[in-house]
Amino acid sequence: AQKVTQAQTEISVVEKEDVTLDCVYETRDTTYYLFWYKQPPSGELVFLIRRNSFDEQNEISGRYSWNFQKSTSSFNFTITASQVVDSAVYFCALRNPNSGYALNFGKGTSLLVTP
Amino acid sequence: KAGVTQTPRYLIKTRGQQVTLSCSPISGHRSVSWYQQTPGQGLQFLFEYFSETQRNKGNFPGRFSGRQFSNSRSEMNVSTLELGDSALYLCASSRSPGQGAGTQYFGPGTRLTVL
Repeated sequence: AQKVTQAQTEISVVEKEDVTLDCVYETRDTTYYLFWYKQPPSGELVFLIRRNSFDEQNEISGRYSWNFQKSTSSFNFTITASQVVDSAVYFCALRNPNSGYALNFGKGTSLLVTP
Repeated sequence: KAGVTQTPRYLIKTRGQQVTLSCSPISGHRSVSWYQQTPGQGLQFLFEYFSETQRNKGNFPGRFSGRQFSNSRSEMNVSTLELGDSALYLCASSRSPGQGAGTQYFGPGTRLTVL
């Protein structure tokens, strides 16, 4: 069975602090894909990043970085120097091609960045 | 390039009625998936269509159905509405299931309220 766990329900930080959102996944498959999405108050899910199970390179995009570690089944997301506009709910998701095209989402982490 | 569009954005219905939601994918995308988002259950996969065929279906009752047209536009229908069907319904599109991870891009959602 596939499962995605985001243990942090809510995080509150002050602007310019760094914050890491945790994601732990479970799957028996050797090929899978991991995703992060952002959901601002408007409701639309915004795609942030995709990682393949066979590519463990970490990635940095501006203030965002992702740490993928197969050994611990984790795919954590760090925002450096957070800004108020980063306030949103962030979802980690897992997709296994053998299970069809469905994204299996975690429960999400609500991030509040205050000035 | 225009994103995924969903209509209507908001809908209020009463129990027992039926509702049809519409989704237009990103131009060139042929796969459309639907998700239901509720505070209690989070984001749950409903079904996925590709080339007018349902490829995958989530664990929802038969009251939930969908279809896809030749232009890749999709509709989902919920019959005999129940209070528990109140949710944000999100549509996502991707190029095709066979190309890489098939990153899904989401629309703004339709907020359905059942009274």
